[in-house]
Amino acid sequence: GAGVSQSPSNKVTEKGKDVELRCDPISGHTALYWYRQSLGQGLEFLIYFQGNSAPDKSGLPSDRFSAERTGGSVSTLTIQRTQQEDSAVYLCASSLDHLERNEQFFGPGTRLTVL
Amino acid sequence: DQQVKQNSPSLSVQEGRISILNCDYTNSMFDYFLWYKKYPAEGPTFLISISSIKDKNEDGRFTVFLNKSAKHLSLHIVPSQPGDSAVYFCAASPSNTGNQFYFGTGTSLTVIP
Repeated sequence: GAGVSQSPSNKVTEKGKDVELRCDPISGHTALYWYRQSLGQGLEFLIYFQGNSAPDKSGLPSDRFSAERTGGSVSTLTIQRTQQEDSAVYLCASSLDHLERNEQFFGPGTRLTVL
Repeated sequence: DQQVKQNSPSLSVQEGRISILNCDYTNSMFDYFLWYKKYPAEGPTFLISISSIKDKNEDGRFTVFLNKSAKHLSLHIVPSQPGDSAVYFCAASPSNTGNQFYFGTGTSLTVIP
């Protein structure tokens, strides 16, 4: 497929466990973004990657959240010691680059439920 | 601190009539705006954009209006169709920040056949 894919589509975990969410961006897109949408909230920016530059982590809500992007392609968002307030839909998006305004293409999201 | 606000969480419109979705922003540095549309269990998809050098941009049934002095933009859909039923997000980008966008909370539009 040519779009952004995310896995898993749904994840239920127990409080205190670690989770990993995966994003496969569109081939050739150098910019990759992670957002989350909590119930009744807008899309909250978490982190973005642009090529080989250091990521902008300014949106990460706590040090329990981290993300990697290996080889400039696939990205993994890791949440350690999950809390109930981490329950949300986590959306990944990619774009041609971050340097100019251009459309961000979104994946379908991962719905995380922390019990 | 929500810099982009969509104060109407939901809107219902009869098929064939006009749908007007509103968005307000607080940051005067925002100079580029997008609307995204989201169906359940799918990611948002780009709908239409407008730069602050314009006050209107039209694409088929969709028109976005920008009122910079009021820091307000709106999306008009005419005529509305049942397939337009979705959640609509407004997003804004400050100048000189590349492709960084701030999103509103979304408005759920229902078009009644």
